[in-house]
Amino acid sequence: EIQLLESGGGLVQSGGSLRLSCAASGFTFSNYVMSWVRQAPGKGLEWLSSIAGSSGATFYAASVRGQFTISRDNSNNNLFLQMNSLRAEDTAVYYCAKEDRRGGHTSGIDSWGQGTLVTVSS
Amino acid sequence: EIILTQSPATLSGSPGERATLSCRASQRISRSLAWYQKKPGQPPRRLIFDASTRAIGVPDRFSGSGSGTDFTLTISSLESEDFAVYYCQYYDNWPPTYSFGPGTQLEIK
Repeated sequence: EIQLLESGGGLVQSGGSLRLSCAASGFTFSNYVMSWVRQAPGKGLEWLSSIAGSSGATFYAASVRGQFTISRDNSNNNLFLQMNSLRAEDTAVYYCAKEDRRGGHTSGIDSWGQGTLVTVSS
Repeated sequence: EIILTQSPATLSGSPGERATLSCRASQRISRSLAWYQKKPGQPPRRLIFDASTRAIGVPDRFSGSGSGTDFTLTISSLESEDFAVYYCQYYDNWPPTYSFGPGTQLEIK
C-alpha cells in the first residue's frame, strides 16, 4: 500500500522559514516524480513544485520560484519542501503527491498524503 | 501556460439526478486531463485520468469524456457521498508540471 506522510507544518511568523517533509512507502520512491500541492483556506488546489525521480531535476510554479526549494532523499524515501520568506498568503494545507507514470507516460497524480497545515501569522 | 476554466462554479443537484461538469483548456492538451474529488479534511481523490479512464475503485457512475480543449465529467446518478468540490487537472509529460482548474462545487439541492 502506498503511503505518504507529511510532517513539519505548524505556526510560523511572517518572514520565517519552515521545512516540510514527506515520508514515502509502498513503492520504489526513486522511480517517480514527486510533487507538492497546496490548498489555502477556501481556495482551490495549487501545484507548487515537482522533482524528478533519479535526476533530481526540479520544477516550480511561478508563484513560489525563488522562495521554495524542493528536494528528495532517495536513500531514505523522503521528499522535502524548504519554504522561506513566508507570507500570510502561504497559509495552506500542503500535500505531498506521487505521480502516476507508466512507460514514460504520465497520468497525473495517483496518491496523496493527508496534508500538513502551515499557518503564517502576520 | 495552460489555463483551465471550469463551469459551472456551483452546481446544485438531488440524489438520483445526473450531473455534468465542464472543464476547458486555454490550448489543446490532447487527453492529458484528470478529474479529482475533494472533500473537506481529506486529500484529493483521483476519479478520472487520461480524460476518460476511471481510476481504480471509482464507481462506474463517474465518467469522463473529451479531448483537445473541452472535457466533461458526468455523474450519472448522484449519491449523497458525491457532494464535494471537483477539480480538473492538466498534466504535462515533461517537464512534469500541473495546473488545476478553479473547481466546481457540487451541492445538494
